[in-house]
Order: sequence, then structure tokens, then C-alpha cells
Amino acid sequence: QQQVKQSPQSLIVQKGGISIINCAYENTAFDYFPWYQQFPGKGPALLIAIRPDVSEKKEGRFTISFNKSAKQFSLHIMDSQPGDSATYFCAAVTSGTYKYIFGTGTRLKVLA
Amino acid sequence: KAGVTQTPRYLIKTRGQQVTLSCSPISGHRSVSWYQQTPGQGLQFLFEYFSETQRNKGNFPGRFSGRQFSNSRSEMNVSTLELGDSALYLCASSLDHFDGYTFGSGTRLTVV
Repeated sequence: QQQVKQSPQSLIVQKGGISIINCAYENTAFDYFPWYQQFPGKGPALLIAIRPDVSEKKEGRFTISFNKSAKQFSLHIMDSQPGDSATYFCAAVTSGTYKYIFGTGTRLKVLA
Repeated sequence: KAGVTQTPRYLIKTRGQQVTLSCSPISGHRSVSWYQQTPGQGLQFLFEYFSETQRNKGNFPGRFSGRQFSNSRSEMNVSTLELGDSALYLCASSLDHFDGYTFGSGTRLTVV
């Protein structure tokens, strides 16, 4: 019940295309859902995050869609660029615990 | 502002030895968490400290321990190293869990 299932494991997208990464969870106590971007040799960096009281959040080319009833959330990267090539992790956390449950990661490659 | 600083960046140890890793959080962040990252297991939560107290602990053996000092700097220690402890160890600090983590670049530990 503490797992966060992330798919796909890897993704190849043409420059200018849309990259979509999905995550699903079971624990309804989760109330914060961030996405992290990690480049080789670096720690993950917070990209965008959402709370379950909204269904969508957009920041630039990055959008989180959240479906509370289905217990799923996804990251959409519009107009994908080669510089977006990285590993993306979704995560979920319960209030007050500070314990993040991370998905297994998606390696995105954007072809020039 | 300065980010999360982890030292050392790389470390090679022999089985059976012990190791201490250091983390300096962002100024003002009192919560410090540690994660182990491996290709097979992804990001696994080790523990979280807040105001010098361990608030949360993951499912790692007692060989993994940590502490936090009054200036919020944190250390983690692994005793009796095993080959399977080879991983990237990431430290993350946070003001509040709704702010998300800021990760350091990690310490790459190799056990030979």
C-alpha cells in the first residue's frame, strides 16, 4: 500500500513532442505529489508538485494531471526538448511524515 | 542561497569497514532526510531528522544510523560495510514537506 507505481520505465520522444509519465498509488493518506528531475551525477531536483485538492497544475511546459478517484497522477512535458533528457521520479508523501515514497523512475530521452 | 552540500562526493571502502557521510542543509531548513539510490531499488528512504531528533526511519538494518547537530548539519554512518551497500547516498533538506525536498548531489559509495 506504500508503493508508488511509475510507468513507463523508459521513454523516447522526438523533439517538440509530448512526454507523458504516469504514476499510481494505493494509500489515500498521501496528500502531496511532487515530481523530480535528475540528471546524471546530480541529485534529483524538484520540478513541480500538486496537492489532491486540484486536478491540474501547470508550470511552463510541465503539467501535472491528478485523478483522485483513480489514484493516479501524471506528468506531461509539452514541446519536449533534448535538454529535458533526464530521469524523472514521481513521489507521494503523507502530511507530517516527511517520508517520501518514490516511483521507480522514468528515463526520458528526447531526440533532436 | 547555498544548496545542500554533501561530502565527500566519492568514497571507496572495503567490506567490513565503516563510513561516515556528511550533509549540510540549506540555511533555515531543519528537516534533513537521507536516501539510498541504486539502479535496482531506486530511491529508498533511510531516515529523517528534525531538530536533532529522528522522526522517521525506513526499513534498513541497524548498521545504518544517523544524527543531526544543533546547526542542522547531519551525518549518516554505515558500519560493517557490505558489497550491497554500494550506492549513491542522497541527503535532502526541507522547510516543510509541502515545499518539497532540495537534494544534494550525493555521495557515491563503492564497497570493494
